[in-house]
Amino acid sequence: AQTVTQSQPEMSVQEAETVTLSCTYDTSENNYYLFWYKQPPSRQMILVIRQEAYKQQNATENRFSVNFQKAAKSFSLKISDSQLGDTAMYFCAFMNNNAGNMLTFGGGTRLMVKP
Amino acid sequence: GAVVSQHPSRVICKSGTSVKIECRSLDFQATTMFWYRQFPKQSLMLMATSNEGSKATYEQGVEKDKFLINHASLTLSTLTVTSAHPEDSSFYICSARDQYGEKLFFGSGTQLSVL
Repeated sequence: AQTVTQSQPEMSVQEAETVTLSCTYDTSENNYYLFWYKQPPSRQMILVIRQEAYKQQNATENRFSVNFQKAAKSFSLKISDSQLGDTAMYFCAFMNNNAGNMLTFGGGTRLMVKP
Repeated sequence: GAVVSQHPSRVICKSGTSVKIECRSLDFQATTMFWYRQFPKQSLMLMATSNEGSKATYEQGVEKDKFLINHASLTLSTLTVTSAHPEDSSFYICSARDQYGEKLFFGSGTQLSVL
């Protein structure tokens, strides 16, 4: 079974600054995907970024980038130029391609962007 | 992008009644749908995996007779909470896997409150 751990229950950052959210996972699989999802107060789950485990290059999406360390089983999310609209819960998630594609979520990090 | 519609968004019911939640994929065929439950300030926990035309697979600890899942077509899965009790009050979210199996799309969730 996979486990996903987010060690920071809450984080805060000043608007326009950079913040990094941590995520570690445990698996014996080689073929998997990692995700970061954002859940704003509306509670709609929004995909922020996705990383394929077989790719060494870190994924980036505009202000969002990841630091994927496969050997260390670490998958942190960096948010640059933080905006007030980034305030939300952020969930790290793991998908095992060989086991039905369901997501296993970390406990979440509540991010507050301060003006 | 693909859209998953989930209804109702909010439901309040009396203890002992049954509640049905619908999850529809609007512009793609979803052979697999997933049902998650999220308690306040907690992460999403997978309840069951719903496959079109076959019985759902339930996660350990989830009562299949209480949470009835039907996936009769490639665009619709339903979750029925039977004989609901206050402890079943939670936020229920569905997600659907696209035909390529690489992405998951989430519904907007259903807040169930059992009085």
